[in-house]
Amino acid sequence: KAGVTQTPRYLIKTRGQQVTLSCSPISGHRSVSWYQQTPGQGLQFLFEYFSETQRNKGNFPGRFSGRQFSNSRSEMNVSTLELGDSALYLCASLSGGSANEQFFGPGTRLTVL
Amino acid sequence: AQSVSQHNHHVILSEAASLELGCNYSYGGTVNLFWYVQYPGQHLQLLLKYFSGDPLVKGIKGFEAEFIKSKFSFNLRKPSVQWSDTAEYFCAVRDSGAGSYQLTFGKGTKLSVIP
Repeated sequence: KAGVTQTPRYLIKTRGQQVTLSCSPISGHRSVSWYQQTPGQGLQFLFEYFSETQRNKGNFPGRFSGRQFSNSRSEMNVSTLELGDSALYLCASLSGGSANEQFFGPGTRLTVL
Repeated sequence: AQSVSQHNHHVILSEAASLELGCNYSYGGTVNLFWYVQYPGQHLQLLLKYFSGDPLVKGIKGFEAEFIKSKFSFNLRKPSVQWSDTAEYFCAVRDSGAGSYQLTFGKGTKLSVIP
């Protein structure tokens, strides 16, 4: 069974630009969550999607947005990038049911210059 | 809002030493508890989880954790560490009554095992 796929793996942008990150969950998983990982703040929850609907959102500014498609693939977008957005962005695919286990992808390393 | 506190930022041990990593959470409701590990250059992986029942849970690679509800703690233990356990360890909590599967993570503990 293939794992969670995130693309691109590395990205360099400049301040003011926007970026789109993609996540393909494990086949059959309908829920995807996004987290931001930085050395200072650790892992922080961004969003959660289930069947194309945003089920929950973390405490991030409106520049951070996301969506989920009918095939469960998800994208997140960050507009007007700031230096502080430099981070590892992790996507997690949820097994659901009683297992309730989140499988994490390798992440996208975003560097904002 | 929930929060998770991991007491140690960096732990250095010699091989065969015993390990205990502290984790405390603040939340008054019913929780699910998790320990994740991130080996250098690898994905976050689940070590073990607690939902209900026996408060002593066993995970992969010889790790175990004990949920002590009165202390809001979920400490991770291993009797004898190996060099390959060098990694960063994260404790996480989820509100089991919520409709969301949002995890709140601690800041992590880096474990360095010296051969």
